[in-house]
Amino acid sequence: GEDVEQSLFLSVREGDSSVINCTYTDSSSTYLYWYKQEPGAGLQLLTYIFSNMDMKQDQRLTVLLNKKDKHLSLRIADTQTGDSAIYFCAESTGTASKLTFGTGTRLQVTL
Amino acid sequence: DADVTQTPRNRITKTGKRIMLECSQTKGHDRMYWYRQDPGLGLRLIYYSFDVKDINKGEISDGYSVSRQAQAKFSLSLESAIPNQTALYFCATSDGGAGYEQYFGPGTRLTVT
Repeated sequence: GEDVEQSLFLSVREGDSSVINCTYTDSSSTYLYWYKQEPGAGLQLLTYIFSNMDMKQDQRLTVLLNKKDKHLSLRIADTQTGDSAIYFCAESTGTASKLTFGTGTRLQVTL
Repeated sequence: DADVTQTPRNRITKTGKRIMLECSQTKGHDRMYWYRQDPGLGLRLIYYSFDVKDINKGEISDGYSVSRQAQAKFSLSLESAIPNQTALYFCATSDGGAGYEQYFGPGTRLTVT
């Protein structure tokens, strides 16, 4: 079945760039997503990328997709303390509208 | 008002008790989902429903059941709660459109003692 993996923790200094990485196994993934979970809250979609794209940029966020290596990354430029959260990578296949989530990466932003 | 609401937000129950978690949405979406979140394991799909007459098991449905009472309501039941069902439970909805974005509720923290 599908498997999505992420490292569990990342610490960066305020103002630096953060890069959160994700690998997945399902080569038929249609969409790949980044969700953000703030403390005590549900998940909120940050951005997604269609599988035939290799990059998507949205303000401070840059998503890179390497289909050959099944690797997805999220870069947050000028990281702020408000970016501290858990970031989940997820993938969906076909029209099933089911998501498979990674384990989540906790981003800690230090002053 | 929130688009996806869950009740209760927190619940402590004892082993063997039956418990129901409720989810309501005002987004008008047909698709609804129940996930559980455990530290280090991410979110895992318990059940999902694409309309009122369509219920499907996810990857970890054992010990759980669901009811889709209406387009806007999707309930998750634990027939006989056990301690390893202690987790954070999320309901989500989707319109199934391009991108399949899912909208999540705030979660229910369930503790089984």
